[in-house]
Amino acid sequence: EAQVTQNPRYLITVTGKKLTVTCSQNMNHEYMSWYRQDPGLGLRQIYYSMNVEVTDKGDVPEGYKVSRKEKRNFPLILESPSPNQTSLYFCASSLIPSRNTGELFFGEGSRLTVL
Amino acid sequence: QQPVQSPQAVILREGEDAVINCSSSKALYSVHWYRQKHGEAPVFLMILLKGGEQKGHEKISASFNEKKQQSSLYLTASQLSYSGTYFCGTGGGSNYKLTFGKGTLLTVNP
Repeated sequence: EAQVTQNPRYLITVTGKKLTVTCSQNMNHEYMSWYRQDPGLGLRQIYYSMNVEVTDKGDVPEGYKVSRKEKRNFPLILESPSPNQTSLYFCASSLIPSRNTGELFFGEGSRLTVL
Repeated sequence: QQPVQSPQAVILREGEDAVINCSSSKALYSVHWYRQKHGEAPVFLMILLKGGEQKGHEKISASFNEKKQQSSLYLTASQLSYSGTYFCGTGGGSNYKLTFGKGTLLTVNP
């Protein structure tokens, strides 16, 4: 089954404790992206990647890191989480988003709470 | 910069029509539309590309005015299942950055 898998789905952590949210897709997609969703603000892009070893900042990259060492995986790293990073995070993948094959497939989301 | 969606919320009765608008201050190459139900991930509806290529979803259509940098999503004869938050996402072509609007909450009542 074609899917984007995120882990963990729910996490409560404390300020400053490094954490990683994993994202894996099994559709051989070139493009992967991370979004955070906060009430009233919609989906805001954190980072995206066009292919292995190619990443770029989205609109809200501060406080986050990513890596793309393999095509299928795109982990999101919070080196020193702070309460303002409490949010619902979505990973998404697609072939090429600016073409008609660019449908984004979203993971189920990871709800992160930073105390 | 996020595209601007309007209205922010709309309430319909089953069978009524709705239009959701999306406008950008930047030149657009592609516009995506997604629907998100409460507690779920966004689901793809449609892509519109500069030059007129389009993928669609049955009973839901969209337009893309490149000059005005606007797109509109048309939902006809709405069904209860249409309820959810609709997001437009805009992209600038060779820059694969895809920026979403804040969403439009659509509620369809019996």
